[in-house]
Amino acid sequence: AQSVSQHNHHVILSEAASLELGCNYSYGGTVNLFWYVQYPGQHLQLLLKYFSGDPLVKGIKGFEAEFIKSKFSFNLRKPSVQWSDTAEYFCAVNAGYGGATNKLIFGTGTLLAVQP
Amino acid sequence: NAGVTQTPKFRVLKTGQSMTLLCAQDMNHEYMYWYRQDPGMGLRLIHYSVGEGTTAKGEVPDGYNVSRLKKQNFLLGLESAAPSQTSVYFCASSAAKGSLNQPQHFGDGTRLSIL
Repeated sequence: AQSVSQHNHHVILSEAASLELGCNYSYGGTVNLFWYVQYPGQHLQLLLKYFSGDPLVKGIKGFEAEFIKSKFSFNLRKPSVQWSDTAEYFCAVNAGYGGATNKLIFGTGTLLAVQP
Repeated sequence: NAGVTQTPKFRVLKTGQSMTLLCAQDMNHEYMYWYRQDPGMGLRLIHYSVGEGTTAKGEVPDGYNVSRLKKQNFLLGLESAAPSQTSVYFCASSAAKGSLNQPQHFGDGTRLSIL
């Protein structure tokens, strides 16, 4: 079965530090990859997505992610975090199974706390 | 510009009670989903629907039923609530065209506690 792994469960950074959150998936075929963010008390919002083309994807709020097919990875990065980036981050994969119904498989999430 | 609206936002139930969570979207999306979010487990798909009048089971469907009588609404029912169903429930919707790369749009969630 397809799965998504986020190895960093809880990350604490100081403002201006660089961020990299890991995401690995298990599926050998074509995938579509997403990063969602959930700010405290709010719903999930799309940060960025990859479905084809340039493997380096830029999203909102200065985030980017790189799809490395050989490593089955889609790591999220930001050069300099801000206190307002404190949130939970979810990686998700759509492996296109089950008749293309856009069912997403989510990772368990990474809780990021940015200290001012 | 409502997007996906969930009602209620909070609810406390006693074991064995029943209730229905309502999800409404105004984006004319074909696909709708119900997830539950539990600490350390991310989001898990309960049921989903690819169109009016159709529903299908997701990853954790037991104890839940759903209905999609109208395109814009997707209802999640708990017939006999159990403490294990204490969770935050999120509804989402997405467009069907180019479905595999369409992002899902989420509601604000319903926090449900079963005593």
